[in-house]
Amino acid sequence: GAGVSQSPSNKVTEKGKDVELRCDPISGHTALYWYRQSLGQGLEFLIYFQGNSAPDKSGLPSDRFSAERTGGSVSTLTIQRTQQEDSAVYLCASSLDRFSPQPQHFGDGTRLSIL
Amino acid sequence: DAKTTQPPSMDCAEGRAANLPCNHSTISGNEYVYWYRQIHSQGPQYIIHGLKNNETNEMASLIITEDRKSSTLILPHATLRDTAVYYCIVRGGYSGAGSYQLTFGKGTKLSVIP
Repeated sequence: GAGVSQSPSNKVTEKGKDVELRCDPISGHTALYWYRQSLGQGLEFLIYFQGNSAPDKSGLPSDRFSAERTGGSVSTLTIQRTQQEDSAVYLCASSLDRFSPQPQHFGDGTRLSIL
Repeated sequence: DAKTTQPPSMDCAEGRAANLPCNHSTISGNEYVYWYRQIHSQGPQYIIHGLKNNETNEMASLIITEDRKSSTLILPHATLRDTAVYYCIVRGGYSGAGSYQLTFGKGTKLSVIP
């Protein structure tokens, strides 16, 4: 079946602009996760959703970052007033739910470059 | 989550079995072992996971020692497309941040040689 889909695959924008990143999880997956990966670094957890609720937003780096999920499906990650340090690959993952050992499945990410 | 230790790199001849080790000596009873791999410019790809029994799927086999302090991922017939960084991750039970955050270490860079 279809995997996790993220768009756009690449985004180049100027410092100070807002960007919106989209994630379409695997159908039927109630849990959705956002991570980011900076060049040569490991994955950094940002936020996760169970349904439309985000019980843990502790990984969001600043109040410029926000995320929402609607209809228990699509999620958007928004970065306002982008800074150069926001440049990274933003990865989305989904799993059946967050209460079982079922694995997280990742999309190929959005590569964000801030000029 | 328990920490994991993996060798930084390994080579494997094409067509041979690749055996990737992982130590997780502080694993607790309700923690699962997961393996992912990441090929350059792609997202992490789930391979397999297990609790205490050995597991096999179409991609690989996972051998977990009886004391659960280490495991080995086996790719039975490595191909050039298996060249990637392989991550062994231990993920906790059903409450707390350790139950949903995946913590990727540095992994093992596997190079499959023609």
